Formats: sequence, C-alpha cells, structure tokens
Amino acid sequence: QKEVEQNSGPLSVPEGAIASLNCTYSDRGSQSFFWYRQYSGKSPELIMFIYSNGDKEDGRFTAQLNKASQYVSLLIRDSQPSDSATYLCAVSYNQGGKLIFGQGTELSVKP
Amino acid sequence: GAVVSQHPSWVICKSGTSVKIECRSLDFQATTMFWYRQFPKQSLMLMATSNEGSKATYEQGVEKDKFLINHASLTLSTLTVTSAHPEDSSFYICSARPGRGDEKLFFGSGTQLSVL
Repeated sequence: QKEVEQNSGPLSVPEGAIASLNCTYSDRGSQSFFWYRQYSGKSPELIMFIYSNGDKEDGRFTAQLNKASQYVSLLIRDSQPSDSATYLCAVSYNQGGKLIFGQGTELSVKP
Repeated sequence: GAVVSQHPSWVICKSGTSVKIECRSLDFQATTMFWYRQFPKQSLMLMATSNEGSKATYEQGVEKDKFLINHASLTLSTLTVTSAHPEDSSFYICSARPGRGDEKLFFGSGTQLSVL
C-alpha cells in the first residue's frame, strides 16, 4: 500500500512568519511530487511541483525534495492570512499515473 | 494552467435517484481523467481512472455498477452516481493532465452531492 503522510495540524503561524509543511512517502520509486492548496469547500489548486532532489523556489513558496529520506516539504515565506488553507501533498509513482494524496495539513496564519 | 470544468457545482437529490456529473477539459485533450471523492475534513480518495474510449479502472472498494463512468470523447468524462443514498453524500472532484509528459494534474471545481 503506497502511502503519503502529513501532519493534519492545525499549524498556526503569525503573519509574516515562515510556515513549514512536511510530507513523507512510502515508495522509493516515486517520481513526481506536488503541493496543492485547498480552501474550504473548494477544489485543490496546484501551487508547486518538484521532480528532482533539492529546492525549487517560486515566489514565496519553496519546495524541498529529499528522495533518500523520502521526504518533501513546502516552505511559505512571509505568510499571509490568505494563505490559511489546507495543504495537500501528492505523489505520483509512475509517469502518467494516478496521484496519491496525503491527508492534508491545515494552516492558519494569524494577523 | 489548464482549465477543467465540472458541472454541476452542487446537487441535492432524493435517495434512490441517479445523479450525473460532467467533467470537461476546456483547452486541452485528455485521454485520461481521474475522479476523486472527498469527505469533510478528509483527503482526496481516488475512485477511478477514466480512459477515453475504453472502460474505466476502478480503485479497490469502489463499486463500478454504482459509480458509472463514461469517457466518450477526449474532452468529456461523466460520473453517474446510481441509486444514490445518504452515505454517497460527498464532494466529487474530477481532474486531468494537459498532455503527454506533463505530470501536473488540474482539478475541476468539484460537485457537492447531498442525498436526502
């Protein structure tokens, strides 16, 4: 059973701080990694994807991938109240295959 | 990003009736679409993979006769919940990839189904 694990939270950070979201996965053969943001009652929105070891930055977001440790993280710099949402980690085990989602981490950014 | 349209956004129906949900890729062709279900405060659970021109592939525990999937064209997949019951009440979301070699998955806006 391929699994993706996240802390459900809630994770609370003050406005302007760095929010750190973590995800682990069970299958070493995993190839593609994604972070989605989901607001309550809405569908997931893709915010980051990473395929290779290391860091990938896009604006205030940085995705970090460590395949040896089977670990992927998302850093949100200068957190804003509008970043308050559930963040879903997703993993694809083969090209063109289905995505397996973690249970999501609820992030709350306090003004 | 690629645009996936889903309709209706919400539906309320009586127990025992059937409900059809449509998913369209608006600016790309999708040979494969994925249908997910999400209960409150839970993650997305993959129900089935919809394949254009062939039968859908269902995940373990998902009843294929209850959740009928049709993928008749490269831009349209439908999910029909047959003989719906209150326990089928959930948020149903479709998704698709825009093209070969692009692993990113884009989601429709979702359908909130409430069965009375």
